[in-house]
Amino acid sequence: QSALTQPASVSGSPGQSITISCTGTSSDVGGYNYVSWYQQHPGKAPKLMIYDVSNRPSGVPDRFSGSKSGNTASLTISGLQAEDEADYYCSSYTGSSTVVFGGGTKLTVL
Amino acid sequence: EVQLVESGGGLVQPGGSLRLSCAASRFTFSSYWMTWVRQAPGKGLEWVANIEQDGSEKYYVDSVKGRFTISRDNAKNSLYLQMNSLRAEDAAVYYCAAGKLSHLYWGQGTVLTVSS
Repeated sequence: QSALTQPASVSGSPGQSITISCTGTSSDVGGYNYVSWYQQHPGKAPKLMIYDVSNRPSGVPDRFSGSKSGNTASLTISGLQAEDEADYYCSSYTGSSTVVFGGGTKLTVL
Repeated sequence: EVQLVESGGGLVQPGGSLRLSCAASRFTFSSYWMTWVRQAPGKGLEWVANIEQDGSEKYYVDSVKGRFTISRDNAKNSLYLQMNSLRAEDAAVYYCAAGKLSHLYWGQGTVLTVSS
């Protein structure tokens, strides 16, 4: 149950696109199409942004997109906005009904 | 609007016990797997445990196996986490969340402090 690997921080200017990676193994990210992404603002509960690798819940802007290749999943935010500044976490199913989160990535909008 | 409201957090000594509760409303609680996720101060999210809709299946992260017990009461729309033999490293904000593989609904969290 080792945490998935995410970059500690990424940054971008308003209007730009950024991508956050989430690297696991063939036992989690690579083995299942059950990767989710969460946004967390300081002092707030996480918010689901992407589920099942690339699906957006109702109400999440289409600027947010997800993908996966092998053992690495990615979250892309296009048309970066100031309110996107937050921490982002990936998670993956690991089999046996358990889930593992990534270490989190702090997104700074310059 | 869906609500998940955690309670029961507080200050406990190492080795002590505490039970967290999560009250659910405005969604069909009995239809969802439920999950506890924690976040230590300044750290990332950690999946702790989950429970199937009827409570028959329960799963835990290795670090809490044998010490924590997840349970639910569908008649009361409530989720619980019994925490025994608490350690300093268990200190965190504990969130309840709805869902098994992804979590659409989250509570606001309850804070557990473990200190002598």
